[in-house]
Amino acid sequence: SQKIEQNSEALNIQEGKTATLTCNYTNYSPAYLQWYRQDPGRGPVFLLLIRENEKEKRKERLKVTFDTTLKQSLFHITASQPADSATYLCALVGAAGNKLTFGGGTRVLVKP
Amino acid sequence: DAGITQSPRHKVTETGTPVTLRCHQTENHRYMYWYRQDPGHGLRLIHYSYGVKDTDKGEVSDGYSVSRSKTEDFLLTLESATSSQTSVYFCAISVSQGGGYTFGSGTRLTVV
Repeated sequence: SQKIEQNSEALNIQEGKTATLTCNYTNYSPAYLQWYRQDPGRGPVFLLLIRENEKEKRKERLKVTFDTTLKQSLFHITASQPADSATYLCALVGAAGNKLTFGGGTRVLVKP
Repeated sequence: DAGITQSPRHKVTETGTPVTLRCHQTENHRYMYWYRQDPGHGLRLIHYSYGVKDTDKGEVSDGYSVSRSKTEDFLLTLESATSSQTSVYFCAISVSQGGGYTFGSGTRLTVV
């Protein structure tokens, strides 16, 4: 069966360090992979999209890599700040359709 | 969230009653989605729409129906609410297949 796995344990990190989150998937051939941020009581907010033929994407302090051989995406927050504390979700869009399927998310807590 | 509103924000209803949640967008996006979010399950797709009167089932569609008679409105109906449908419901929109989604603020539904 298709699975999208993110580390369910919270990631605690010191301010200024780089946070690295992992998204692994099985039995998918994704056309796109997306990352979202979700704050408590709010809807997810779109951050980045990376296509299957792209290896890396950057946006300000965020960097996403996509390895279709390993079936894995890494999400990096560099120079992390307490305001980066949130849950981060990865999501896949298959080649056949336009539906996003989400992983369970990883909570990040940046301590000052 | 800008351009997309969900109503009501909170609702408590009794088992066996029908419930309708509304999603309204001002972005004129073609695609609309209903997800539910539960601890331990993450976001799961209930139904989606790719145009007026064009809808399809998602991963967890049993017990739910949808209607889209206008581009801007996507209604989710719980035909006979059950306690297992207690959840946070999110509506999302997207302009294209595979593009980033914009989510509403969610509806917290409690079935007692």
